[in-house]
Amino acid sequence: EIVLTQSPGTLSLSPGERATLSCRASQSVSSSYLAWYQQKPGQAPRLLIYGASSRATGIPDRFSGSGSGTDFTLTISRLEPEDFAVYYCQQYGSSPPGLTFGGGTKVEIK
Amino acid sequence: EVQLVQSGAEVKKPGESLKISCKGSGYSFTSYWIGWVRQMPGKGLEWMGIIYPGDSDTRYSPSFQGQVTISADKSISTAYLQWSSLKASDTAMYYCARLGQNELDVWGQGTTVTVSS
Repeated sequence: EIVLTQSPGTLSLSPGERATLSCRASQSVSSSYLAWYQQKPGQAPRLLIYGASSRATGIPDRFSGSGSGTDFTLTISRLEPEDFAVYYCQQYGSSPPGLTFGGGTKVEIK
Repeated sequence: EVQLVQSGAEVKKPGESLKISCKGSGYSFTSYWIGWVRQMPGKGLEWMGIIYPGDSDTRYSPSFQGQVTISADKSISTAYLQWSSLKASDTAMYYCARLGQNELDVWGQGTTVTVSS
């Protein structure tokens, strides 16, 4: 079973700053199978990035994903007030079919 | 519009049974897997299992195998998550979500389940 470790647990930044979130897998993950989600308090998660680097529909271009193998990164180029939230990475395994989530990174206002 | 609409909040006692639902619309319900995700209070996301409504093929996370049952009724485009005997530790928010290629691209609004004596 692949384990996803996200770091840091909490990121304290100011609006306008750059946020860099890490997701490390315990074994190699196909880039096609790595996604990122944003969750705000009281809301369902929202898909941001799929296939490690493709933005989902309607996601602003300040959000970008990168990485391969065991190391993946979500970057928010300039934080907007609405970006302060919790972010999760997720991998999909095809054999057997199933998903794994990372523990999440909270991006909070400094 | 593609959407998943979940049933409303539930308050139950330990030992009671429960079935919550997730109704899909705006797309071919039988052509996409539907997954269930648990979020305990103040915690992260946990994948519970997925079902393919087209043929009811179902896969469970090892952590939830035997603890819940996932089913679907394709005639009414609805997936279900059920418990036969609830525990206090089942208190959580439960989300259904559509599996796109390899990611959950459409999410329901969530169903809060509270189990308390």
